Amino acid sequence: EIVLTQSPGTLSLSPGERATLSCRASQSVSSSYLAWYQQKPGQAPRLLIYGASSRATGIPDRFSGSGSGTDFTLTISRLEPEDFAVYYCQQYGSSAFTFGPGTKVDIK
Amino acid sequence: QVTLKESGPVLVKPTETLTLTCTVSGFSLSNARMGVSWIRQPPGKALEWLAHIFSNDEKSYSTSLKSRLTISKDTSKSQVVLTMTNMDPVDTATYYCARLTRGFGGRYYYMDVWGKGTTVTVSS
Repeated sequence: EIVLTQSPGTLSLSPGERATLSCRASQSVSSSYLAWYQQKPGQAPRLLIYGASSRATGIPDRFSGSGSGTDFTLTISRLEPEDFAVYYCQQYGSSAFTFGPGTKVDIK
Repeated sequence: QVTLKESGPVLVKPTETLTLTCTVSGFSLSNARMGVSWIRQPPGKALEWLAHIFSNDEKSYSTSLKSRLTISKDTSKSQVVLTMTNMDPVDTATYYCARLTRGFGGRYYYMDVWGKGTTVTVSS
């Protein structure tokens, strides 16, 4: 089973700043099968990025994804107040999914 | 509009079997590119994928929970059912179902629409 590690655990930033979130896999992941989700308190997760770099429908272009192999990154170019949330990466491989432990982006 | 709604008991006792139903609308469970996943989230913890099923009855289960899980679908009712046996207090969580979309030729896999979740507490 592929294990995903996310860093940092918590990222404290101010609105307008750039956020860079990391997702590292224990073995190589197909870029096609790497996704990112945003979850706010009391809400279900929301798909942000699929295929490592494709934005889901309705996702603002301040969100971008990149990476390949074992290292992937979610970047939020300029944080808006509504972006403070927990972010999870997810991979699909061998007919199974795994999620990372999440990165919390909170207000500094 | 695509929606998914989870339903099931709020409280189950240890050793009992949990049965959850996901009722979908806005897409068909007979669509070859779409399936349904179940995911859970214990309070304050991360997401954990449990199982998924596609229109051709292709199923997959979490390795760690495989012996306890069964997923099935009723296309005519637009429902996907997950059963989990031998419930334990550590299974207390919010359980989500989500539409699982795969690209042509299996190019992508992602969960693009989620239900609001249903909270299940395991306690005697």
